[in-house]
Amino acid sequence: DIQMTQSPSSLSASVGDRVTITCQASQDISNYLNWYQQKPGKAPKLLIYDASNLETGVPSRFSGSGSGTDFTFTISSLQPEDIATYYCQQYDNLGFTFGPGTKVNIK
Amino acid sequence: QVQLQQSGPGLVKPSQTLSLTCAISGDSVSSNSAAWNWIRQSPSRGLEYLGRTYYRSKWYNDYAVSVKSRITINPDTSKNQFSLQLNSVTPEDTAVYYCARDRGVYGAVRIDYWGQGTLVTVSS
Repeated sequence: DIQMTQSPSSLSASVGDRVTITCQASQDISNYLNWYQQKPGKAPKLLIYDASNLETGVPSRFSGSGSGTDFTFTISSLQPEDIATYYCQQYDNLGFTFGPGTKVNIK
Repeated sequence: QVQLQQSGPGLVKPSQTLSLTCAISGDSVSSNSAAWNWIRQSPSRGLEYLGRTYYRSKWYNDYAVSVKSRITINPDTSKNQFSLQLNSVTPEDTAVYYCARDRGVYGAVRIDYWGQGTLVTVSS
């Protein structure tokens, strides 16, 4: 099984700040990496697919990069509505696994 | 607009079978460009893929290794829905269960629609 780690596990930032989350895979996954946002009591929402592609309708302040084992997710200017937990997800021919999540709060 | 509506009991006794159904509107369970997944979420295990069913000229099922011996996912084309059965449940199976559509093709995964989630508690 491919294991995913994320850091930090939580962060607090001010409105307008640049926020960066990292995700690491236990082996090379090429660009088979997605990012999701989950707000309390709701299902996750796809934001970024294949490491760097913005899902339709998602604001451009969200972006992703990376390949192989190391990936980065960035919110260029944090907004109050971005308070949520963010998960990376790798996929392969056996299915997919999620990272443990990063909880983003407003300072 | 795709909608997924989950139904099933919120309480299951240990050793019994957990059964959930996901009714699809706005797409077809027989679509050649979608896969239909069950995912669960608990504080101890996080978001966990359980399995999926999909049609590519014939029906396929994939199951996570962690539940492979206990799980069955079935499509129901007459009702345009799919179901989850998880046997021999224990309190460790307590979680919010989601059904979800994956629109990815050629092995890619894009989970773009989710059901509303069902909290299933395993307790006597």
